[in-house]
Amino acid sequence: NAGVMQNPRHLVRRRGQEARLRCSPMKGHSHVYWYRQLPEEGLKFMVYLQKENIIDESGMPKERFSAEFPKEGPSILRIQQVVRGDSAAYFCASSPPSSASYEQYFGPGTRLTVT
Amino acid sequence: AQSVAQPEDQVNVAEGNPLTVKCTYSVSGNPYLFWYVQYPNRGLQFLLKYITGDNLVKGSYGFEAEFNKSQTSFHLKKPSALVSDSALYFCAVRDASGGYSTLTFGKGTMLLVSP
Repeated sequence: NAGVMQNPRHLVRRRGQEARLRCSPMKGHSHVYWYRQLPEEGLKFMVYLQKENIIDESGMPKERFSAEFPKEGPSILRIQQVVRGDSAAYFCASSPPSSASYEQYFGPGTRLTVT
Repeated sequence: AQSVAQPEDQVNVAEGNPLTVKCTYSVSGNPYLFWYVQYPNRGLQFLLKYITGDNLVKGSYGFEAEFNKSQTSFHLKKPSALVSDSALYFCAVRDASGGYSTLTFGKGTMLLVSP
């Protein structure tokens, strides 16, 4: 059973370009969470999605950032017109539809560098 | 809102000695608590959780955590540290304030085990 997959693992973008980060949850998982990790700041929640629905996007910046989790295919975190401050590690986690234990399973992350 | 505090940015311990990584929490309702570990350039790995039951929870790699309701703490412990335990450790609490479950993470504690 493959774990949570994220690609690319490393992404370099110039200021003003778009970044697309992909996340394939574990098999059978329909809940996806995106987090951002900045040095010295720990792990910050960005958005929680279920298939075709955004449940909670309270941690995501209102501008330039968007996320989706279509019926088919991976979840996508999209950052438009990237700035240097977007440089960070972005982690995706997934959980099954009804998890009595509530733990989340994390992917290896995408490290975004904006030059 | 739920919150987690990890008061130590870094913990240093010699190999073979016991280790403790501290975590305190603030929740409304019953606390569901988690510990995750992150090795360099990797995603987070689940270590253990407290949902209900015994206050001493055993997890992966010989780690355990003690739930203390009166002190609102969930400290991570290991009787004998290994150099390979050196990593970043995150405490997390389930947040169900929005009618659905997400995890709120502490800032993380870097554990350094010296030979």
